[in-house]
Amino acid sequence: SAVISQKPSRDICQRGTSLTIQCQVDSQVTMMFWYRQQPGQSLTLIATANQGSEATYESGFVIDKFPISRPNLTFSTLTVSNMSPEDSSIYLCSARRGRGYGYTFGSGTRLTVV
Amino acid sequence: KQEVTQIPAALSVPEGENLVLNCSFTDSAIYNLQWFRQDPGKGLTSLLLIQSSQREQTSGRLNASLDKSSGRSTLYIAASQPGDSATYLCAVRDEGGSEKLVFGKGTKLTVNP
Repeated sequence: SAVISQKPSRDICQRGTSLTIQCQVDSQVTMMFWYRQQPGQSLTLIATANQGSEATYESGFVIDKFPISRPNLTFSTLTVSNMSPEDSSIYLCSARRGRGYGYTFGSGTRLTVV
Repeated sequence: KQEVTQIPAALSVPEGENLVLNCSFTDSAIYNLQWFRQDPGKGLTSLLLIQSSQREQTSGRLNASLDKSSGRSTLYIAASQPGDSATYLCAVRDEGGSEKLVFGKGTKLTVNP
């Protein structure tokens, strides 16, 4: 399966600022995704990062708050914009190589907004 | 809307014990089901992937079963070890082309030496 490197691993940010999280996969993958894990909650899909086009967002998530880039088949970024304490979560990048494969996850970014 | 439930929420066992973790889902029209392990403050490690046409998958001391019609999966861990201590997550991918995984909240397992 693919190996995913995600950085930063953790950060403490001030309210109102933005943070960009990077996700690098060691091989070309068909699909890349961004998930959020709020304290005590299950993982929730934020969006699918589409190569060469705009990301596809799930209900409750918008591009202005969570802009996503995917310039090629191995790299994606997620920006958490205008942060508030409610954005404190673990953000995880995920990828799937192709049909019939399972999903691989990065090590996550633990974000604390103060 | 698919919902995934994992029972129990937490489990503590002595080392060496065999144990079963449970996962149930409300919509049986799934494409596949995947079990993950999450260590504190870390990402997810994939353990087993079961396609909808399969009944079980095995990897080492782990065995996962799937009963699609009843909306259930179990993860069996044999001869548990302290290193197995982690949160175990179940996730389903629905039929119909969606790539979205729907996760349960997990079972936090503690294996005591």
